[in-house]
Amino acid sequence: RKEVEQDPGPFNVPEGATVAFNCTYSNSASQSFFWYRQDCRKEPKLLMSVYSSGNEDGRFTAQLNRASQYISLLIRDSKLSDSATYLCVVDLRAGGTSYGKLTFGQGTILTVHP
Amino acid sequence: NAGVMQNPRHLVRRRGQEARLRCSPMKGHSHVYWYRQLPEEGLKFMVYLQKENIIDESGMPKERFSAEFPKEGPSILRIQQVVRGDSAAYFCASSPETRRSYEQYFGPGTRLTVT
Repeated sequence: RKEVEQDPGPFNVPEGATVAFNCTYSNSASQSFFWYRQDCRKEPKLLMSVYSSGNEDGRFTAQLNRASQYISLLIRDSKLSDSATYLCVVDLRAGGTSYGKLTFGQGTILTVHP
Repeated sequence: NAGVMQNPRHLVRRRGQEARLRCSPMKGHSHVYWYRQLPEEGLKFMVYLQKENIIDESGMPKERFSAEFPKEGPSILRIQQVVRGDSAAYFCASSPETRRSYEQYFGPGTRLTVT
């Protein structure tokens, strides 16, 4: 089983649509969770951190369910510029010390069309 | 504040040659991470370094790969006797010592092509 597993995608949606991505992780010791965005094989860029209480940043909402080891990202009112690969990322920790060894999911490709 | 810098951006090597990839972290960052992205795959952790120390190299292939982060100068990822399977994008990331969540900032990557 992969450590971080995402919806395979790809997702093709029209502008203005709402789209949701799901992600599961296998290591219950995981402490920090993120969504990154990667454009055309460029470097990944942090989109948002994910907290148990859920968090929102404009059109983007992230949720974490520790009991189910499940993370989600919701994008409302999709824009053409949202087209990218979305990476679910987990920070594993050893012995209570965070050392930032990020584990990436395979990524989900989103294409927003006019 | 300049971001993470990597060079070269593109590197072509013939089988059997050595590849050296360089990474300069963001100013004030003392933690460096290397990741590899093979074609059509996700990013995989390779190694985590602090100045003059390798903290975690659990993702490094056992042979031909090495990494360092000297007291002065950039971090170097070295691949000896490259093979075609080493062709990939190699990303470096850095984070500051004081950040609890270790949110990492990535460089633009080096695309290695082995012919």
